[in-house]
Amino acid sequence: NAGVTQTPKFRILKIGQSMTLQCAQDMNHNYMYWYRQDPGMGLKLIYYSVGAGITDKGEVPNGYNVSRSTTEDFPLRLELAAPSQTSVYFCASSPNPFQDRHEAFFGQGTRLTVV
Amino acid sequence: QKEVEQNSGPLSVPEGAIASLNCTYSDRGSQSFFWYRQYSGKSPELIMSIYSNGDQEDGRFTAQLNKASQYVSLLIRDSQPSDSATYLCAVFNTGGFKTIFGAGTRLFVKA
Repeated sequence: NAGVTQTPKFRILKIGQSMTLQCAQDMNHNYMYWYRQDPGMGLKLIYYSVGAGITDKGEVPNGYNVSRSTTEDFPLRLELAAPSQTSVYFCASSPNPFQDRHEAFFGQGTRLTVV
Repeated sequence: QKEVEQNSGPLSVPEGAIASLNCTYSDRGSQSFFWYRQYSGKSPELIMSIYSNGDQEDGRFTAQLNKASQYVSLLIRDSQPSDSATYLCAVFNTGGFKTIFGAGTRLFVKA
């Protein structure tokens, strides 16, 4: 029962580098989300997807890109990393919101530092 | 106006007391409401969900929803030191089909 799996758990990037944060879920959920959480703050929605091939921007999409080629995977791409992107990144998935219960399940997070 | 608002706290209560956490939301079309608990350095975990007006109880936890007032609350009875965490209110937004989180309320339960 893996649930939502994120890799890597930790990463240090230099300014201007790029990287992809991986997220996979095995619960056959249509909805997937990427959030960032700055120290002492709540979760800010970066991008979300309602199914394979469909993505949309959240509250803070600048500097990020996503793709959703399969139901299981929802990678987040950082291009030209900046210190402002230092944060903890959480991937989450949920069932169709018109089902009886559709709470979000979270991965363990990726702690990213840009120096 | 933020979509989901919570008092950041910290809220401090003695062991055994009732902790009351509040949340307001701006989208009247919101249909689903969740409370997550997050320990420091960990990912959020769901503790309560509520979908209709009224109360929803699960053990020591009670979620209350008032859609007319756009208000949702969480009561924790017989608070324990292990309840010390940040509590995040989340709202599923039917306008954009996405779940939005509040900034969270830090709760401290003093032994």
